[in-house]
Amino acid sequence: DAGVIQSPRHEVTEMGQEVTLRCKPISGHNSLFWYRQTMMRGLELLIYFNNNVPIDDSGMPEDRFSAKMPNASFSTLKIQPSEPRDSAVYFCATPGTGTANTGELFFGEGSRLTVL
Amino acid sequence: AQSVAQPEDQVNVAEGNPLTVKCTYSVSGNPYLFWYVQYPNRGLQFLLKYITGDNLVKGSYGFEAEFNKSQTSFHLKKPSALVSDSALYFCAVSRTGGFKTIFGAGTRLFVKA
Repeated sequence: DAGVIQSPRHEVTEMGQEVTLRCKPISGHNSLFWYRQTMMRGLELLIYFNNNVPIDDSGMPEDRFSAKMPNASFSTLKIQPSEPRDSAVYFCATPGTGTANTGELFFGEGSRLTVL
Repeated sequence: AQSVAQPEDQVNVAEGNPLTVKCTYSVSGNPYLFWYVQYPNRGLQFLLKYITGDNLVKGSYGFEAEFNKSQTSFHLKKPSALVSDSALYFCAVSRTGGFKTIFGAGTRLFVKA
C-alpha cells in the first residue's frame, strides 16, 4: 500500500480562485481526517469522516470551505473563494493500517497552499 | 472537550544526553495518547501510543513515553539524543473508542552535536 496520497503537493493561486485538494486514503479505510497546519494556529482538525459520512465539521473555518468523501478511495477539500489567510499546509490522514481503528493516524505528505 | 498542552515551544539538548518533551492532556473518560514526529516538508509520523496497560510505552527510534494519570501527563523521553532526532514533535489525545484526535501545538527539538 502506498499510504495516504495527497495532491497537489504545492498550489499557488490568486485570491478569489477556487482551490481543490485531493486525498486518496489507505485502502480498506472509510475514515478520513482533514487537518490544517499554520505557524500561528498549529495543527487544526477541520473535518473527519467515518463510513464516508462527515461526523464532525466544527473545525471548518467558514462556508467557503467544503469537504466530500464520495467513496472510500477519495476525498476532496474545496475552498471557494480562496483568501490569503487560507495559506497553510493541509493534511489528510487515515487511522491504522488494518480495518480496526487502533487509534494512530497515518498522514499524507500534505498540500502546501499559497494564496496571493 | 479534549485538549493537549505542550508547554515548551523548543527544547535544546546536546547529543548523547537524555531528552524529555513534555505533554499534559485533558479529556473525559480514558484517553488514547499519542506522540508524532514531523520532519521538514513532511507529514506527521506516528511514534508511539498509550491505550491501556503498562504506563511506560516504547516506540520507534528508541523513544518512550510515560503515562501519569494523576498528573494527566504523557512526557516523551529518550535516554540518548541523536542529532537526527531534531524535528517537531506533537502530542495528541483522543477519547477511548473515539475518532477525533486533537494535537498539541508542537515542540521543536534541537539536538546539538
